[in-house]
Parts: sequence; structure tokens; C-alpha cells
Amino acid sequence: AQSVTQLDSQVPVFEEAPVELRCNYSSSVSVYLFWYVQYPNQGLQLLLKYLSGSTLVKGINGFEAEFNKSQTSFHLRKPSVHISDTAEYFCAVSRYSGNTGKLIFGQGTTLQVKP
Amino acid sequence: DVKVTQSSRYLVKRTGEKVFLECVQDMDHENMFWYRQDPGLGLRLIYFSYDVKMKEKGDIPEGYSVSREKKERFSLILESASTNQTSMYLCASSFPAQSQETQYFGPGTRLLVL
Repeated sequence: AQSVTQLDSQVPVFEEAPVELRCNYSSSVSVYLFWYVQYPNQGLQLLLKYLSGSTLVKGINGFEAEFNKSQTSFHLRKPSVHISDTAEYFCAVSRYSGNTGKLIFGQGTTLQVKP
Repeated sequence: DVKVTQSSRYLVKRTGEKVFLECVQDMDHENMFWYRQDPGLGLRLIYFSYDVKMKEKGDIPEGYSVSREKKERFSLILESASTNQTSMYLCASSFPAQSQETQYFGPGTRLLVL
């Protein structure tokens, strides 16, 4: 069975500083990996996803993530954050095979960008 | 522009009431999902449907049922609401049988059961 652990429940950071949101997963099979963002009072939207190929994945709004198979991690990074990046971020994994389309989500990390 | 809509943003119900949460998508997606979102627990899958009239239990189906009579509509039913079902409920949809396909989410329904 797969599981996802987001190592920080809250990450406070000042505007224009770099940020890293950490995500580790466990799985006995190959997986696809996702990061979703939830802005206040909204549903989730996709930031980026890793399917195969290059381990560095670029997403929307200047975010990127690196897939590290040996460390089973998929950390999200941004070199310079804005106030508007304040949101909750979810890491998720889905099975490579089986084609159910189901996602398993982490607990979420709240990014608080301060002026 | 893709769209998933949910019938209510906020809902207040009493213990024991039957509650219906509606979700509609306009993307012709086969897959639809219901999650509940609780602080510190992330999103947990309640039920999903991969075709009209087809459904499968997720991780926390107890106390819930679903209905999918039309492709674009997926309903979550709380047979007898309880206070521990107070939560944010999110609906999502995606293309069929593709684990890597993006799920598109509605804005959520915040349900309070008194």
C-alpha cells in the first residue's frame, strides 16, 4: 500500500525568500507523484506532476519539484515566494499500474508568506 | 475552461437528517470522486465512480453512500448525519483509467452537523 508523509504542517517564510515543502512517500510499486495547491476558500488545483523522465519537474507559478527515487521524496521548491503563494499544499501519489486513477494525499502543509 | 461545481458552499444540518451533496462536471470525465478534508488529515477518499451507475468504496465509506445516474453528476448521501461528519467535502473528476491524469476539484462544501 502507498502512503504519503508531508513532514511540515506549517511553513512560515518571508516574502521573496526561498521555500521547500517536503514530501516523502512509500510504495512497493512505481508511482506517479503530484503536488496540488488549495488557496483559501477554494478547491485544489494541480501545481505539477511527475510521470517519468526528467526528475526535475516544473509547474505553474514558478514552483518546481524533484523526484528522488532512492530517498522516496518529492520535495516542492520555489526560489522566491510571494504573498499570493499563501495556501495549503498537498502532495499525492497514485499507482503506476492498476489504472484506478485514485490518489493518496498527504496531510497538507500550510505555507504562510509574511511581508 | 474546465469546471466542477458543487451545489452548496456551506450547509448546516441536524443530527439524523439525510443530507445530499451534489457535484456536476462539464468535462465529460468518466471518473468522479468524493473526498472529505479535515485539518491534519489531508484528503481522504470516501467513494469514487468510474462510470454511470458504477461505484467503488474508498478509504472511509462508512456512513455514506453515492449515486451516479448521469455521467456529469455524482451525489454523496449522508444517510443519517452525525456530528463526526462535520467536515469539508470536495468533489473531483478525471479522465478514465489513467493514473496520471489530473483530478479537477470543485470549490468544496463545508458541512456543519449540529
